[in-house]
Amino acid sequence: DIQMTQSPSTLSASVGDRVTITCRASQSISSWLAWYQQKPGKAPKLLIYKTSTLETGVPSRFSGSGSGTEFTLTISCLQPDDFATYYCQQYRTFGQGTKVEIK
Amino acid sequence: EVLLVESGGGLIQPGGSLRLSCAASGITVSTNYMTWVRQAPGKGLEWVSVIYSDGSTYYADSVKGRFTISRDNSKNNVYLQMSSLGAEDTAVYYCARDLWTPRSGQGGFDYWGQGVLVTVSS
Repeated sequence: DIQMTQSPSTLSASVGDRVTITCRASQSISSWLAWYQQKPGKAPKLLIYKTSTLETGVPSRFSGSGSGTEFTLTISCLQPDDFATYYCQQYRTFGQGTKVEIK
Repeated sequence: EVLLVESGGGLIQPGGSLRLSCAASGITVSTNYMTWVRQAPGKGLEWVSVIYSDGSTYYADSVKGRFTISRDNSKNNVYLQMSSLGAEDTAVYYCARDLWTPRSGQGGFDYWGQGVLVTVSS
């Protein structure tokens, strides 16, 4: 089974910062990677699919890139609404999550 | 508008059984892949089970042999029958539309329910 490893586990940042979350696969997964945002007490929300395609309605400050085994989610200018936990997913396997918290 | 509404959760004793329901509107469960995901308190997301449009079913190793996914096309519902429950099954359970299909070309779970809490405790 393919394992997905995210880093960091927690990220402290300020409004306006550029933040990057990394997701590594234990073997090549081509471009079949999705990213989710989850806020406390809420269901996850699909942000990005197929590595870099934004789901409808997702702000353009979110972007995804990568291929093979290394992928990144970037938030170009962190907004107050972006403080949340982010998960990568390959097929039906999730990474362990990255919590973006206020610095 | 797509709406997925889970129900059937609650407190159950270890070794017990429970059936979760996911009522769908705005999509047809029989023509979609429908999946269950769970999240233990304070933990990450764990995929549990999927039912394909052709009726094929698949399970995570952690629930194989104990959980059964099914659907009722006439009610447009998806179910998760859970048995031999243990403390490790305590979690919020979500149903979602699963786009990890050969035809979708995209992947991901795009529509989610609000989740239902299952607590296994004596």
